[in-house]
Amino acid sequence: EDKVVQSPLSLVVHEGDTVTLNCSYEVTNFRSLLWYKQEKKAPTFLFMLTSSGIEKKSGRLSSILDKKELFSILNITATQTGDSAVYLCAGGSNYKLTFGKGTLLTVNP
Amino acid sequence: DSGVTQTPKHLITATGQRVTLRCSPRSGDLSVYWYQQSLDQGLQFLIQYYNGEERAKGNILERFSAQQFPDLHSELNLSSLELGDSALYFCASSVDQWREQYFGPGTRLTVT
Repeated sequence: EDKVVQSPLSLVVHEGDTVTLNCSYEVTNFRSLLWYKQEKKAPTFLFMLTSSGIEKKSGRLSSILDKKELFSILNITATQTGDSAVYLCAGGSNYKLTFGKGTLLTVNP
Repeated sequence: DSGVTQTPKHLITATGQRVTLRCSPRSGDLSVYWYQQSLDQGLQFLIQYYNGEERAKGNILERFSAQQFPDLHSELNLSSLELGDSALYFCASSVDQWREQYFGPGTRLTVT
């Protein structure tokens, strides 16, 4: 059975801190690793990574995939209170996404 | 706004009843996915359709069924509802099965 594990489960930081969220996966017929941000309701898409070692960046967020170690990280620099959310990692196979339980990030002013 | 729409936003019903959740994918997306999110289980994949055909099933109960219509909208039917079916039900869509999925706002189902 496919499995995605995220750590830590929760994290509390102060504005301006840098955080690293971790995701390990075991997904049959793995094709991609995706990161989503979930605030009040629907998960919103952040990144999709398919190639190992290539960093994807969007503003203060960046992510990288290690296909050898079956691992991905999401970095957020200079955190803001608006970054407070649950961050979900998902392993993509042929037809579905397998989600981890998420990391609850709380950024305090 | 992802461009995926779901109705209704909230649904309250009694055990044993049947409900239908509706989803319209983003314009141009052919794949539709249904997920269930509960506090203890997280986001669980239920079923996927591509251009009207069922492509994959996940942890979907036999009491649940879905279909995708020629105009690409999809419906998830939940029958003989139990208290444990109370959850957020998300629909997602993508251009094809290899691309990122965009999620709708969800339908919160409460079974009393």
